Amino acid sequence: AQSVTQLGSHVSVSEGALVLLRCNYSSSVPPYLFWYVQYPNQGLQLLLKYTTGATLVKGINGFEAEFKKSETSFHLTKPSAHMSDAAEYFCAVSFRSGGSYIPTFGRGTSLIVHP
Amino acid sequence: DADVTQTPRNRITKTGKRIMLECSQTKGHDRMYWYRQDPGLGLRLIYYSFDVKDINKGEISDGYSVSRQAQAKFSLSLESAIPNQTALYFCATSDLSGPHNEQFFGPGTRLTVL
Repeated sequence: AQSVTQLGSHVSVSEGALVLLRCNYSSSVPPYLFWYVQYPNQGLQLLLKYTTGATLVKGINGFEAEFKKSETSFHLTKPSAHMSDAAEYFCAVSFRSGGSYIPTFGRGTSLIVHP
Repeated sequence: DADVTQTPRNRITKTGKRIMLECSQTKGHDRMYWYRQDPGLGLRLIYYSFDVKDINKGEISDGYSVSRQAQAKFSLSLESAIPNQTALYFCATSDLSGPHNEQFFGPGTRLTVL
C-alpha cells in the first residue's frame, strides 16, 4: 500500500539552528510531493512541491526540500530557524488511484523553536 | 476575501444531532475535498468531488455524507453526530488540470460533539 511517513511528531530546535523534517513515502511509481505548513488556528498552505525536473526544490520562507528517489525521501530543511517557523508541517504525496491522483498526508511534525 | 471559506468556524453539538458544515470557494476549481484533522493522525480524507456529478468516498467516510450543490459549494453532513467525530474539519480545493497542482485549504471548522 502507498503511504507517507513523517519521522518524529515533534522536532525542537534553537533559533538559528538547522531545521530538518523527515518525510518518506512508499510508491512503485514516481509520485508528486508536497510540503504544507499550518500555523496555529489556520488552514494549511503550500511551502513547496516537487513534480519533475530539478530534485532540489526551493519554497517560501527559506525552506527547501530534496527529492531522493533511491531513498524514497523528500526531507524539508532550512539553514537557520526563526521563531516564526514554529508550526505544524505536513508532507503530502499524490498517489495514482484508479484514473486519478489522490493526495495522502503524513501525520505531521510539530516544529518547536526555542529562543 | 478568502478564496476558501468554511462555516461555521466553531460548533458544539450533542450526540445524535444532525450537523452540516459548509464550504464555498471562489477559485473556480473543480475538485473539492473534506478532511478531518486529529492530533497525531494528520489529515484524513473523508470525501472528495471532481465535479458536481462526481462524489467519491475517502478513507474514513463512514458516518458522513456530502453534497456538491454547485461547483463552488461542497457541504459535509454528520447525520447523527457521535463524540469520536470531535475534530478539526478542513475543506480544500484543487485545479482539475493535473496531479501536481497543490490544494488550497479553508480555515477549518472546529467541531465538538458532547
